[in-house]
Amino acid sequence: DGGITQSPKYLFRKEGQNVTLSCEQNLNHDAMYWYRQDPGQGLRLIYYSQIVNDFQKGDIAEGYSVSREKKESFPLTVTSAQKNPTAFYLCASSIDGAPNQPQHFGDGTRLSIL
Amino acid sequence: KNQVEQSPQSLIILEGKNCTLQCNYTVSPFSNLRWYKQDTGRGPVSLTIMTFSENTKSNGRYTATLDADTKQSSLHITASQLSDSASYICVVTPRGSTLGRLYFGRGTQLTVWP
Repeated sequence: DGGITQSPKYLFRKEGQNVTLSCEQNLNHDAMYWYRQDPGQGLRLIYYSQIVNDFQKGDIAEGYSVSREKKESFPLTVTSAQKNPTAFYLCASSIDGAPNQPQHFGDGTRLSIL
Repeated sequence: KNQVEQSPQSLIILEGKNCTLQCNYTVSPFSNLRWYKQDTGRGPVSLTIMTFSENTKSNGRYTATLDADTKQSSLHITASQLSDSASYICVVTPRGSTLGRLYFGRGTQLTVWP
């Protein structure tokens, strides 16, 4: 079945440590996105990418980095510069990023600080 | 100020009852409005999408309405089931949106009791 796979489901980070969240899709979608979800808040856009080797900052990119070396993969690195990383992280994709195309979401990674 | 406001923040209903969730937005002009369902610990799943020219859209027991003049949308759930317990998120896409730009509400947490 086609879909978006995020791993791991749960992740723990020590202070000063970088961690990488995986996002893989087999939907053949060009556009991919990373969101952060905090309790009682709407999803906030971290980074997005329309094509391979190209990505753009979203609203809250500070302390995060991404890469898009392959169409199906869009990993997110939470760096030590991100002072409040505890959150639920969602990866999404859409066919080409057009407004009429729905975004399909993975099941998220919950990141916590040890 | 959040451009997409949802109410109520949470709602408890008994199985078999109907309910209506509200979404008010200030995003203008807009391209489309979507309702997503998010189960606990999972990613959001699209329920309905309406363009600015549509005023109703159904998906099984879910019916969304849109009043573009008053900038209000509602999601009506008929004959609720335990599996309807989830967060329901209203998402507005601005017209002429650049890739990835969506406005998310904070969601209404619905709990259905047996």
